[in-house]
Amino acid sequence: DAGVTQSPTHLIKTRGQQVTLRCSPKSGHDTVSWYQQALGQGPQFIFQYYEEEERQRGNFPDRFSGHQYPNYSSELNVNALLLGDSALYLCASSYPSQTQYFGPGTRLLVL
Amino acid sequence: GEDVEQSLFLSVREGDSSVINCTYTDSSSTYLYWYKQEPGAGLQLLTYIFSNMDMKQDQRLTVLLNKKDKHLSLRIADTQTGDSAIYFCAESRSRDDKIIFGKGTRLHILP
Repeated sequence: DAGVTQSPTHLIKTRGQQVTLRCSPKSGHDTVSWYQQALGQGPQFIFQYYEEEERQRGNFPDRFSGHQYPNYSSELNVNALLLGDSALYLCASSYPSQTQYFGPGTRLLVL
Repeated sequence: GEDVEQSLFLSVREGDSSVINCTYTDSSSTYLYWYKQEPGAGLQLLTYIFSNMDMKQDQRLTVLLNKKDKHLSLRIADTQTGDSAIYFCAESRSRDDKIIFGKGTRLHILP
């Protein structure tokens, strides 16, 4: 049983570009949450998707958007990248009322 | 508001016990977690405690919760070199709700 998988593992972009990160949830999980972990910080909640709708959102600008597909996989899109968007982006999946499982993350570097 | 505070650094001799402390502010927190993150890796859930419990033990790990003071601790018995990592205290209102993380405590093991 595969756990949560994320792609790509590493990514380098330049300021102003756009990026798409992908997450496949653990088998049977239908809820996907995204977190941003800046260097030396704890993860911060970006948003959560359930039944293809954004269910909760943290304190992130509209440049951060997402999508969930019918197979429950999810994408995180970031537009107009800033240097400060450099971070480890973590995806977590869960079944309703069950514990969330985290993927290995995508490390994004913005130059 | 929602905030989780923990000390940033702890140094312990191999074989001793490590105690990592954390305080949180959200009185609606129902689940309290300890995650481990090794260099360059994602988050590993070590253990969690439900807010109506005051202690949970799992092999070398003991979690203590003082709900009145909103204080959580993680004790690692017989600390080993493989325990060297960053430990995050975190809380959520339900198991599939957004998770609020502290900034992490870096545990350094002395020989």
